[in-house]
Amino acid sequence: AQSVTQPDIHITVSEGASLELRCNYSYGATPYLFWYVQSPGQGLQLLLKYFSGDTLVQGIKGFEAEFKRSQSSFNLRKPSVHWSDAAEYFCAVGSKAAGNKLTFGGGTRVLVKP
Amino acid sequence: SAVISQKPSRDICQRGTSLTIQCQVDSQVTMMFWYRQQPGQSLTLIATANQGSEATYESGFVIDKFPISRPNLTFSTLTVSNMSPEDSSIYLCSVEGQGGYGYTFGSGTRLTVV
Repeated sequence: AQSVTQPDIHITVSEGASLELRCNYSYGATPYLFWYVQSPGQGLQLLLKYFSGDTLVQGIKGFEAEFKRSQSSFNLRKPSVHWSDAAEYFCAVGSKAAGNKLTFGGGTRVLVKP
Repeated sequence: SAVISQKPSRDICQRGTSLTIQCQVDSQVTMMFWYRQQPGQSLTLIATANQGSEATYESGFVIDKFPISRPNLTFSTLTVSNMSPEDSSIYLCSVEGQGGYGYTFGSGTRLTVV
């Protein structure tokens, strides 16, 4: 069965500093990987996705993620954080073998200090 | 990507009653997904709804508690039946995106059972 682990429950970062959120997945073949953001009281917004091809994926709002098969990771990065990036971030994995369903990690809450 | 309208956005319900949540999509989609997000938790898939067939429920979720309708390719409902305070959660619908993977989410229904 597919699974996703986000090791960091909370991360606090200063505005303007860089941000990296970790995501590790467990799946036998190449999964389809996603990062979503959920602002307080809001629904989920897709930041980026990886299906195949270039392992460095660019997303919206200045985010990028890198798929590393050898490490079973799909970490999310942003070079310079803005106060509006304070939110909950979820990594998710999907696969055809799992019936096209998404399995979500536990989430990482990002706090941005002025 | 598809635009999803989900209603109601929030509700406070008495225990023992039922609530039906509606999900309307602005384009035809084959697969729709219903998720639950308990307070402070990640998202858990309740069921997958395909038009013209019975919904497929995940382990721990049953049709009697969460009946789903999918009358056409743009609409679905999820009913939370015989509610208890443990059902207090955010319920989200999602529709398939590229490659058949659900990746667009509605804004969610925040349900409080008292």
